[in-house]
Amino acid sequence: GAVVSQHPSWVICKSGTSVKIECRSLDFQATTMFWYRQFPKQSLMLMATSNEGSKATYEQGVEKDKFLINHASLTLSTLTVTSAHPEDSSFYICSARDLGASGANVLTFGAGSRLTVL
Amino acid sequence: DAKTTQPTSMDCAEGRAANLPCNHSTISGNEYVYWYRQIHSQGPQYIIHGLKNNETNEMASLIITEDRKSSTLILPHATLRDTAVYYCIVRVGQNTGNQFYFGTGTSLTVIP
Repeated sequence: GAVVSQHPSWVICKSGTSVKIECRSLDFQATTMFWYRQFPKQSLMLMATSNEGSKATYEQGVEKDKFLINHASLTLSTLTVTSAHPEDSSFYICSARDLGASGANVLTFGAGSRLTVL
Repeated sequence: DAKTTQPTSMDCAEGRAANLPCNHSTISGNEYVYWYRQIHSQGPQYIIHGLKNNETNEMASLIITEDRKSSTLILPHATLRDTAVYYCIVRVGQNTGNQFYFGTGTSLTVIP
């Protein structure tokens, strides 16, 4: 079945630095990927829709200059948290849809990336 | 997309069926019902989805009422590994660009 890989699975960084998280569709192509953020004991919150070859679409209240998304190929989307602060510490999860599969409208999620900003 | 309502938490005895309800009274005719679950500190896992007919796969069964205003996810023989948060999501299925918005979900605890 479809597999989505995220890297790194966890990262610790200093306040003020930038962190890049990669999301790859391993055995399928994804024109659209989705980025979520999840705080402890809360549900997943959609941050943005990443579109291959074009600008990402951000949800209301999500700072596009803070969370840079690049979807340069059909198998890779990256989320860069710029000038990270402790309040950006969270669990970041990406997802993608395998258009070629029989369950064409089922999202496959990555395992998540836990960011801790000191 | 239609809003869903789920109980905050449920318990189920190991080996028994777990029945997780979901209300989606404002669902539109072209919106599908999807179920995902999230085990602690992992990404969500797809379980099942359907439009109006009942569906069954190797993981679970999905029962959708005739008026489509509610549904029930059934785990026929719950195991300890089924302890997770279960999310019911409704969205337009045919448009591949449509997003999935997660509600608060139901925290299922399977008890030995």
